Amino acid sequence: EDKVVQSPLSLVVHEGDTVTLNCSYEVTNFRSLLWYKQEKKAPTFLFMLTSSGIEKKSGRLSSILDKKELSSILNITATQTGDSAIYLCAAGSNYKLTFGKGTLLTVNP
Amino acid sequence: ETGVTQTPRHLVMGMTNKKSLKCEQHLGHNAMYWYKQSAKKPLELMFVYNFKEQTENNSVPSRFSPECPNSSHLFLHLHTLQPEDSALYLCASTQGHPVGGMNTEAFFGQGTRLTVV
Repeated sequence: EDKVVQSPLSLVVHEGDTVTLNCSYEVTNFRSLLWYKQEKKAPTFLFMLTSSGIEKKSGRLSSILDKKELSSILNITATQTGDSAIYLCAAGSNYKLTFGKGTLLTVNP
Repeated sequence: ETGVTQTPRHLVMGMTNKKSLKCEQHLGHNAMYWYKQSAKKPLELMFVYNFKEQTENNSVPSRFSPECPNSSHLFLHLHTLQPEDSALYLCASTQGHPVGGMNTEAFFGQGTRLTVV
C-alpha cells in the first residue's frame, strides 16, 4: 500500500524563524513529489519535484527531493504569519496522488 | 480560482436522501479525482478517472457512486449515507496520459463540505 509520512505533524514558530518540514514516501511507480499549502479548503500547489538533488525555489520557500532516501524537505525562511497553514506532501504515481497527513504550521507574531 | 469548480459548497443531507456532488474543470485536463478529507486524517483518494475511464476505486462503499460523462465533468452520487461520511469532498484534475502517468500538478476545487444527519 502506498504511504506518505510527514513530520512534524504540527509546529509553532515565531515570525522570522526558519522551518523545515519533512516528507517520506513509499509508493509503487513513483513519478513525482508534490507540496501543497492548504489554508481553508482547496490545497494550492507549491512545488513538483521529479529529479533528485535539484532545489526548487519560490521566494522564501524551497524544496528538494532525495530519491535515494525516498524523502523531501520543504524549507521556509523568514516565516510570516501568512505562512500559517497545513502543508501537504503528496507522492504522484500512475494517475494518483497519495497524500500525507500534513504539517500544521502556526507562525506567531 | 483554480479552474476547478465544485458545487454545492455546503450540503446537509439526511441518511435516506439522494444527492449529487458536481465538479467541472476548464483546464483541458483529462484525469479527474475525488478525494475525501476527514478531520485529522490525510486526504483519502476515492476514485480516479483518466480519459473518462475509471482507473481506480479505493474500496469505496457502494453508497458513493461516481460518474464521468466527459473529461471536464465529474459527479459523485450519494445515497443512504452514514454520519461518518461527513467530510470535505475535494475534486482535483491533472493532465493525464492514456497509458498511465501524471506529470503535472493537481488543481483542486474548493470542496463540498458534506454533513450527514
